[in-house]
Amino acid sequence: EDQVTQSPEALRLQEGESSSLNCSYTVSGLRGLFWYRQDPGKGPEFLFTLYSAGEEKEKERLKATLTKKESFLHITAPKPEDSATYLCAVPISQGGSEKLVFGKGMKLTVNP
Amino acid sequence: KAGVTQTPRYLIKTRGQQVTLSCSPISGHRSVSWYQQTPGQGLQFLFEYFSETQRNKGNFPGRFSGRQFSNSRSEMNVSTLELGDSALYLCASSLSGETGAFFGQGTRLTVV
Repeated sequence: EDQVTQSPEALRLQEGESSSLNCSYTVSGLRGLFWYRQDPGKGPEFLFTLYSAGEEKEKERLKATLTKKESFLHITAPKPEDSATYLCAVPISQGGSEKLVFGKGMKLTVNP
Repeated sequence: KAGVTQTPRYLIKTRGQQVTLSCSPISGHRSVSWYQQTPGQGLQFLFEYFSETQRNKGNFPGRFSGRQFSNSRSEMNVSTLELGDSALYLCASSLSGETGAFFGQGTRLTVV
């Protein structure tokens, strides 16, 4: 069964304390991996798309990397405004189109 | 350009009632997908519409249905509401169903 697992479920950091979030997947024929940021009461905001092992994408303090079995979201010198839930998702082919299978998310809290 | 718009933002309904949620995709996007988000299950795929046709469906009971109009706007309907239907319902649009979809702010449904 296609699965996406995120760890840890929650993470508390001090401002400036770098860390990494993990997203592991068991999908045959990966066709991409997506990272989203979600603030409370809002819809997920698209961050990155990664398509092949070794690929990296960066945006401000965030960098996403991809291997054949997992993806990492590295947060460098985080600020309180980086506090949010981070979701990863992989597309699964079904019924002639694709659906996104999401991990449960990782709630990041950055304390000032 | 305008993002994905969902209405209403909040709803409170009574068990047994039915509800209709609306989603207007980004202009030019023809694919609309719906997801249910709950604290326990995370984001789960409901269905996807493209050019007024349902192309993909998740594992939800028949009480959950949807449709798409010729202008790509979509509605989802939930009949005979149950307490467990309380959730954030998210709509996502994309050009043609490829991944990296853009989400709306969601409709928070509370069933009492």
